[in-house]
Amino acid sequence: DVKVTQSSRYLVKRTGEKVFLECVQDMDHENMFWYRQDPGLGLRLIYFSYDVKMKEKGDIPEGYSVSREKKERFSLILESASTNQTSMYLCASRSGTNKQYFGPGTRLTVT
Amino acid sequence: SQQGEEDPQALSIQEGENATMNCSYKTSINNLQWYRQNSGRGLVHLILIRSNEREKHSGRLRVTLDTSKKSSSLLITASRAADTASYFCATEIDSWGKLQFGAGTQVVVTP
Repeated sequence: DVKVTQSSRYLVKRTGEKVFLECVQDMDHENMFWYRQDPGLGLRLIYFSYDVKMKEKGDIPEGYSVSREKKERFSLILESASTNQTSMYLCASRSGTNKQYFGPGTRLTVT
Repeated sequence: SQQGEEDPQALSIQEGENATMNCSYKTSINNLQWYRQNSGRGLVHLILIRSNEREKHSGRLRVTLDTSKKSSSLLITASRAADTASYFCATEIDSWGKLQFGAGTQVVVTP
């Protein structure tokens, strides 16, 4: 079974802090994605990566950056956390059959 | 941007009944996928239907796709309490595999 893990289930940070969310997949997938999920809005794509060191902006990249130094690891960085970044963050990797496999999510609260 | 719109937003049924939810989208797609999310967890892939397919089955799931109407439906037959979850449709719109999600349908199945 494909496994996608995220570094934390719950995280509480203060406004202005730099926040790192890590995601690791174990199936050698090329493409990885970061989404945020907010009530009533579904999932929105923040960034995605199609190879090591390659990244593309999604629909809502403002305030975020990403890093993919190794194929299995895709990190989301909040350069200076703000309260409007309080959300559920979901990482996914995509298989050759187009399915996406999701991690359990990180619920981030910025106070 | 939100591509898919699910209908209804919420659905409450009894065990053994069928649950039907609909999804409409706006642009051309490569495929349409349905995902399930149990409360506060990551998403699980249920079924994928390609743009040149009209109907697909997987166990108690039946998905239809009407590209002329830009709509899809998911039918869960003989619902169980364990089917209680939120269901999301997602459209894949490009070769990178980016998905655009709707806001979801919350399904509650009571014993």
